[in-house]
Parts: sequence; C-alpha cells; structure tokens
Amino acid sequence: EAGVTQFPSHSVIEKGQTVTLRCDPISGHDNLYWYRRVMGKEIKFLLHFVKESKQDESGMPNNRFLAERTGGTYSTLKVQPAELEDSGVYFCASSQRSGRFSGNTIYFGEGSWLTVV
Amino acid sequence: AQRVTQPEKLLSVFKGAPVELKCNYSYSGSPELFWYVQYSRQRLQLLLRHISRESIKGFTADLNKGETSFHLKKPFAQEEDSAMYYCALSGGAGNMLTFGGGTRLMVKP
Repeated sequence: EAGVTQFPSHSVIEKGQTVTLRCDPISGHDNLYWYRRVMGKEIKFLLHFVKESKQDESGMPNNRFLAERTGGTYSTLKVQPAELEDSGVYFCASSQRSGRFSGNTIYFGEGSWLTVV
Repeated sequence: AQRVTQPEKLLSVFKGAPVELKCNYSYSGSPELFWYVQYSRQRLQLLLRHISRESIKGFTADLNKGETSFHLKKPFAQEEDSAMYYCALSGGAGNMLTFGGGTRLMVKP
C-alpha cells in the first residue's frame, strides 16, 4: 500500500513568488492534515480536512496560505506570496478516523522542503 | 493551551546503556500522548501511544498524570535507535497533534 506522498520534495523560490504543495493521502483516508516545521521551531499543526471539508484551520498562519481538497482526495497548500519566514518543511498526514482515543494512527508523508530566498 | 516540552535537544549514549527521553506536557483535560520517531532519510512514524500500553522495539512510555510526563525509556540502547524522537499530545475533537521540539538520540558503538 502506498503511503502519504508529497510533491515537490524540495522547492526553492524567490520571495514574492507562489508555491503550491501537493499531498496524496493514503487511499480511503478521509482525514488529511497539514503540519509544518520552520527553522528551529516545533512541528506545528496547520489544518485538518475531513473529506473535502475543513474541520479545523486554526493553525493557518495568515491569509497567504490557502489549502484545498477538492473531491476529498488529494490536497494542495498554496503559499502566495511567499515570505522568507515561510521556509521550512511542510508535512502532510492522513488517517482513517479522527477523534481522540480512537486507536487511530496518523501516517505522515516525507515532507516538502520549502526554501524562500 | 496545550504544550509539550522535550528538555533535551540531544541525547548521546553508548550502545547497551539505558536511555530515557523526557517529555512533559500541559493540558487541561485528559490527554492522549504519543511518541513519534524519524530515522535518517525516513518519514515521521508512530512509535507508540499511551493508550496501547505496549512496548515497541524495546521502548516503553508510561503516562504519569501527577507529574504530567510521558518519558520514553529503553533499558539497552542499540545503534539503530539513533534518530529524532518527538513527543506529541492530542487534544480536542480531531486528531490535531501538538509536538515537542524533538530530541535527537545518538547511540554510539
């Protein structure tokens, strides 16, 4: 079974440009999450989709970030315009079920490394 | 607010020595705690969760609500245990995880 896949694995863009990161969750996983780790900081939650609906987007840093999951399959995270502080690793994860104590496992992708210069 | 603290950024031990990676948390409700591990050039993966009360790869972790801790322990470290370890807490309706800063474990031969 394929795991969570992310594209691109690495991206270098100039400040002010736009970047779109893509995540393909594990087939059949309704829950999709985006996290990121910027330099020297903890891995932080960005948002959570249940199918195509945004369940929780409390972690999105500002309106330069736009996440979509049309059709409830793959998801994209667009950063427009990118700023220097957006540099870091963006992780996507998926799970079958959500909810605490559900015995559910969250599977992570390898991450997309973004460098804004 | 929920918070996870891993006080050690780096922990270096010799092969065969006991290892303990510390994790403390703050959360007002009943937390669900996890340890995730990231080996070199691999993705982040779940190592264990407190509700399972299991031992994975010789690692165990006990939730201590009095001390608000979830330390990860292994009696005899192996070189292949060298990796980045993250403690995480789940709170709220969804599966949102709050991560600690991570501890890099280096097991020397």
